[in-house]
Formats: sequence, C-alpha cells, structure tokens
Amino acid sequence: EPEVTQTPSHQVTQMGQEVILRCVPISNHLYFYWYRQILGQKVEFLVSFYNNEISEKSEIFDDQFSVERPDGSNFTLKIRSTKLEDSAMYFCASSPTSGGGNIQYFGAGTRLSVL
Amino acid sequence: GQQVMQIPQYQHVQEGEDFTTYCNSSTTLSNIQWYKQRPGGHPVFLIQLVKSGEVKKQKRLTFQFGEAKKNSSLHITATQTTDVGTYFCADLSGTYKYIFGTGTRLKVLA
Repeated sequence: EPEVTQTPSHQVTQMGQEVILRCVPISNHLYFYWYRQILGQKVEFLVSFYNNEISEKSEIFDDQFSVERPDGSNFTLKIRSTKLEDSAMYFCASSPTSGGGNIQYFGAGTRLSVL
Repeated sequence: GQQVMQIPQYQHVQEGEDFTTYCNSSTTLSNIQWYKQRPGGHPVFLIQLVKSGEVKKQKRLTFQFGEAKKNSSLHITATQTTDVGTYFCADLSGTYKYIFGTGTRLKVLA
C-alpha cells in the first residue's frame, strides 16, 4: 500500500541551527501538508502546498519556516534558525484531492529535538 | 481563531465498555474528519462527515455530525484493547487547512 515516507525519523540539532525535514508524498497526490505535534498535545496545522506554492499557512508558520518541492517527489520543511520551542514531532501528509474530498495520509513523522 | 475542543481529555474504560468522545467548536463546523493516533504513531483517517445530522458507522464505531453543525461525536461500542489511542476530530477551515481538536486519549483495561 502506498505510504508517505519521512526522513529522518529523529533529528537532533542545536538551537540556532537550520534543519530540513524531508517527506516523500504518495506519488499521485497533489496536495501536501506539514503539521507539528508537541509531545502529548494536539496536531497543529503549519502549511498546505499545491501546484508548487503555499495554499494556506498558520500563525506558527512564520518567516523562519519555508517549504519546497524541489524535484517533483520530495517535499521539504526548512526551519532556518531553530528554537527550543520548535522541539516537536513534525508530520507530513498528502492527499489526492482538495477541500471537502480530501483524505489526508500522514507519514510516520520526524521527531525534532532542539538542544 | 477557531477553537475545536474535545471532551473528555482522557478516558479509561474496561474492555467491553462503551466509549464516546465529543468534538465541539466555537464556530459552525464545515467538514469533520476523525483520526485515530496509536501511542507513538501517526494520525490515521477514520471517517469524514459533511452533512448536518449525518450518521456513519464502521463496525463498532458510530460517527455523528450535529444538526446545527456545532459538534460531532464518535462512539465505540464494546471497546477492545486495539481501540487504545488518541482520537482527534479535525474541521476544514479554509480550502486546504484542517484544525485539529484537542483529542481524547482512550485507555482500555483488559
């Protein structure tokens, strides 16, 4: 069964460093998302991406964050200068259609630990 | 911004007992999805509700969308240990943005 894959599974970084989290969405999907989940808390929307541009973003997704689909298969989330509070699980999701019809398929996540 | 709250936050049940989680919003809900997240896992889609008053069933799970579209519920009949996890509702806010609820963590005691 097709699945969303995320790498690495765990990323440890020093505060102030840049990190890139990688995702390979399901191959025929058109809509891509990043979410984060601080340990034990709810899943928080960060950004959605369609047709090579950001569709919507949340207040969390500030200038320190960026997304890219560099080669037609990978979908990356970059955090330019990490802060302690960026420590969380980051989930990538993809869906084949938009709006009311979309089922989001989530990857297993990348646990980001900022020291 | 929109707040999607779920109650209860935690629920411990004996295996075989029923379980219900409620999803409430500060604004009218648009399109509700329910997800299950096993401990240490990722959210997995369960169902989508669109119409006011809609009721859908999946084996022991019953999902309902309130008549006024301000709430939704998930009911599990005769829980099993495999039902353990956190159940999230998520509302479509905008075209490509889902707001997740606060979640209900279910523990099932054998």
